Amino acid sequence: DTEVTQTPKHLVMGMTNKKSLKCEQHMGHRAMYWYKQKAKKPPELMFVYSYEKLSINESVPSRFSPECPNSSLLNLHLHALQPEDSALYLCASSQPGVDRFGSYTFGSGTRLTVV
Amino acid sequence: AQSVTQLDSQVPVFEEAPVELRCNYSSSVSVYLFWYVQYPNQGLQLLLKYLSGSTLVKGINGFEAEFNKSQTSFHLRKPSVHISDTAEYFCAVSGGSNYKLTFGKGTLLTVNP
Repeated sequence: DTEVTQTPKHLVMGMTNKKSLKCEQHMGHRAMYWYKQKAKKPPELMFVYSYEKLSINESVPSRFSPECPNSSLLNLHLHALQPEDSALYLCASSQPGVDRFGSYTFGSGTRLTVV
Repeated sequence: AQSVTQLDSQVPVFEEAPVELRCNYSSSVSVYLFWYVQYPNQGLQLLLKYLSGSTLVKGINGFEAEFNKSQTSFHLRKPSVHISDTAEYFCAVSGGSNYKLTFGKGTLLTVNP
């Protein structure tokens, strides 16, 4: 299995809703990432988990809450989002090691619309 | 800190023509450089990477890139493009062990028949 699977593929939520995005990989990768991508823009790093511990938080607002329950699963909990949070949310994973720096496997993303 | 600059936001070419997508980097430490491709409505896929060693790097789908330290460049090339190469291409840089990957703004390659 060489894939990162993200669910759901599309999500529409109101500003008062609570929802979660899910990301799963079975490649044995020990680093996992959340990126946010607005239309016609590059991906922007949000969070990095290394060996199931949060290692980087790029000053993301608290309405986004990441969780890494185990080495295969990464969640992003969403609460009280704003319309400007509408974007493609990408999950990625990689294997630590000098020869693996930057060699990410990306999922296809969840397209989130906040209404 | 490290950054990359992609010099062209859009590159239109005809099918079977050669193409070069330009990328310049800036870093105060050793860098690791990457090219990723994003097809419409999909995630990103790694095309190739430079970590060390040979400055000419070959990747998937017939793409190659050359690391030029003196010009701080990492341009992506393909000798003959296909319609299916139409996509957004991102140059990216990593400073090393903190796992952080920084992307350029992207170049939209459009291959016309």
